Amino acid sequence: GAGVSQTPSNKVTEKGKYVELRCDPISGHTALYWYRQSLGQGPEFLIYFQGTGAADDSGLPNDRFFAVRPEGSVSTLKIQRTERGDSAVYLCASSLASGSVDTQYFGPGTRLTVL
Amino acid sequence: GENVEQHPSTLSVQEGDSAVIKCTYSDSASNYFPWYKQELGKRPQLIIDIRSNVGEKKDQRIAVTLNKTAKHFSLHITETQPEDSAVYFCAALPAGSARQLTFGSGTQLTVLP
Repeated sequence: GAGVSQTPSNKVTEKGKYVELRCDPISGHTALYWYRQSLGQGPEFLIYFQGTGAADDSGLPNDRFFAVRPEGSVSTLKIQRTERGDSAVYLCASSLASGSVDTQYFGPGTRLTVL
Repeated sequence: GENVEQHPSTLSVQEGDSAVIKCTYSDSASNYFPWYKQELGKRPQLIIDIRSNVGEKKDQRIAVTLNKTAKHFSLHITETQPEDSAVYFCAALPAGSARQLTFGSGTQLTVLP
């Protein structure tokens, strides 16, 4: 079946602009995660959705970052007033959320470059 | 919160040799430890995982061992092949309702033909 997909694959923007990054999880996966991966580093957690609600947003770095998942499937990560330090690969993952432990499947990521 | 350290950061081996990557974690309540392989510009892909109720798991040329007392776990790749070259990340998941993975900083494995 289809895996996690993310659009766009690359996004170049100017400092101060607003961007939206989209994630389509695997069909039937109720849990959705956003991570950010800087060059040479492991992914860092941003936010986790269970269904439509954000169950844990403790990883969002500041209030310029916001994410939604209005129908419990597709999610959008929104970044306001982008800064050069926001440049990274933004990864989305999804899981079945069955039980306390389940496998997270990652999308290919969106490479965000803030000039 | 959880902290995961991974070593080495780079590893070069000759084709056919074994490779071992080690990780330590800080939260003794963590109960799930996946390993992901990431090729350049590609998505992280799960290659093997282990839960805290087992000490070792094998899948063909790949094995993972877990020492809960020492809070460390390791990835073992035997009979390495050039296509094993990639960055490998370990991760830990805390017990309870938290579901975010904490990742190590990655190991760049190069298998020399």
